[in-house]
Amino acid sequence: KQEVTQIPAALSVPEGENLVLNCSFTDSAIYNLQWFRQDPGKGLTSLLLIQSSQREQTSGRLNASLDKSSGRSTLYIAASQPGDSATYLCAVRWQAGTALIFGKGTTLSVSS
Amino acid sequence: GAVVSQHPSWVICKSGTSVKIECRSLDFQATTMFWYRQFPKQSLMLMATSNEGSKATYEQGVEKDKFLINHASLTLSTLTVTSAHPEDSSFYICSAETGYGYGYTFGSGTRLTVV
Repeated sequence: KQEVTQIPAALSVPEGENLVLNCSFTDSAIYNLQWFRQDPGKGLTSLLLIQSSQREQTSGRLNASLDKSSGRSTLYIAASQPGDSATYLCAVRWQAGTALIFGKGTTLSVSS
Repeated sequence: GAVVSQHPSWVICKSGTSVKIECRSLDFQATTMFWYRQFPKQSLMLMATSNEGSKATYEQGVEKDKFLINHASLTLSTLTVTSAHPEDSSFYICSAETGYGYGYTFGSGTRLTVV
C-alpha cells in the first residue's frame, strides 16, 4: 500500500531557527512530490513541487529535497518567522494523472 | 497562476437535506478533478476522482450514492452530499492538475456542518 508519513507531528521553535520537516513514502517509484502549507480552517497553498528526476527545489527561505532511493523528502525552512506557523503537508503522486496521497502533516508553531 | 474556485466556503444544513459544492477551474481546463475530505486534525483523504464526461471513480469506503459527483464540463465539477447526516460534517476540498510540471492546485475548501 502506498503511504506517506510525516515526522514530527508537531514542532515548536523560537523565531529565527532553521528547521527541517521530514516526509517518507513507501514505494520509491514516484512521479512527483509536493509540499503544501495549510492554515487553520483554510485550503492548501502549494509551496514546492519536485519531479521524480529532480533532487531539490528552492523558493525563498524554503528548500525541499528528494531522495527517491531512500523514500524520503525534507523541507528545510531557514530563519523561521511567526508567520510560518501552519501545518505543512507532504503529498506524493505515484503515477501521472493519479491523485496525490497525503501525509498527516507537521504542525509548526514559531514563537516570537 | 492557475486558480480553482470552490463554493461555498462554508455551509450549514439540516440533517436529511442535500448540499452541492462546486469547483471551477478559472483559467485552464481540468480533465480530471479530485475530491478530498478532511476531518478535524486529520489529513486529506481522497474520496473520488472526477473525469470530464464519464462516471467518477470512488475510493473504497466512499458511498457513491451518497456523494454524487458530476463533471459535465472541462471547467466545472460538483460534489453533492445527499441526505446529509452530522457524521458528514467535514472539510471538503477539490484539486486539479494545471499542466505538466505545475503540480496540483486546490480549491479553498468547503466547511460543511450538518445539524
